[in-house]
Amino acid sequence: GAGVSQSPRYKVAKRGQDVALRCDPISGHVSLFWYQQALGQGPEFLTYFQNEAQLDKSGLPSDRFFAERPEGSVSTLKIQRTQQEDSAVYLCASSPQGVANYGYTFGSGTRLTVV
Amino acid sequence: GNSVTQMEGPVTLSEEAFLTINCTYTATGYPSLFWYVQYPGEGLQLLLKATKADDKGSNKGFEATYRKETTSFHLEKGSVQVSDSAVYFCALSQETSGSRLTFGEGTQLTVNP
Repeated sequence: GAGVSQSPRYKVAKRGQDVALRCDPISGHVSLFWYQQALGQGPEFLTYFQNEAQLDKSGLPSDRFFAERPEGSVSTLKIQRTQQEDSAVYLCASSPQGVANYGYTFGSGTRLTVV
Repeated sequence: GNSVTQMEGPVTLSEEAFLTINCTYTATGYPSLFWYVQYPGEGLQLLLKATKADDKGSNKGFEATYRKETTSFHLEKGSVQVSDSAVYFCALSQETSGSRLTFGEGTQLTVNP
């Protein structure tokens, strides 16, 4: 596609509910990243895929967070038993290569609100 | 670990004023440095980058020079426009930390006509 597409754009979840956030990267982009952006803060790294391989998940804040990219294209970030502190904008970015020098293309994000 | 520190905001300027947003970083070795811009309701967009010391990145009238001696990458523009109103993020990446970007907290810029 023309850009990185994320869905849903907004999600309201009750505390304890499971959510799934989707990212459609630019076609052919090898690298895919997830970031979490709290209100008024810069994005924080969550996890990184190169094709279908999850090469780095050190930024996932707890074992309630899980990400997958089974066919090396679309990725899903799943959050189980959501908590209020999970409220944030979740950003997805993709890149044709595995280095940041090319500059990633970011999606518009999914704003998650846990009530 | 790596970190990026931006000047505290928000910044409010009149149209055609000179802009400086300070950014300093902490990293070992030679990181690549970036400025990203986030317009309301949109995703982050790469504004400019520099990959080695003394490089100058430039785009849309914005400039930033990679200063290793002061570990800085300050963003400047000679004459801002109302359309430049956005949040600006300084960021770095380093091969030793994979391909991830480490961001500063962002600086909200408002330009008034």
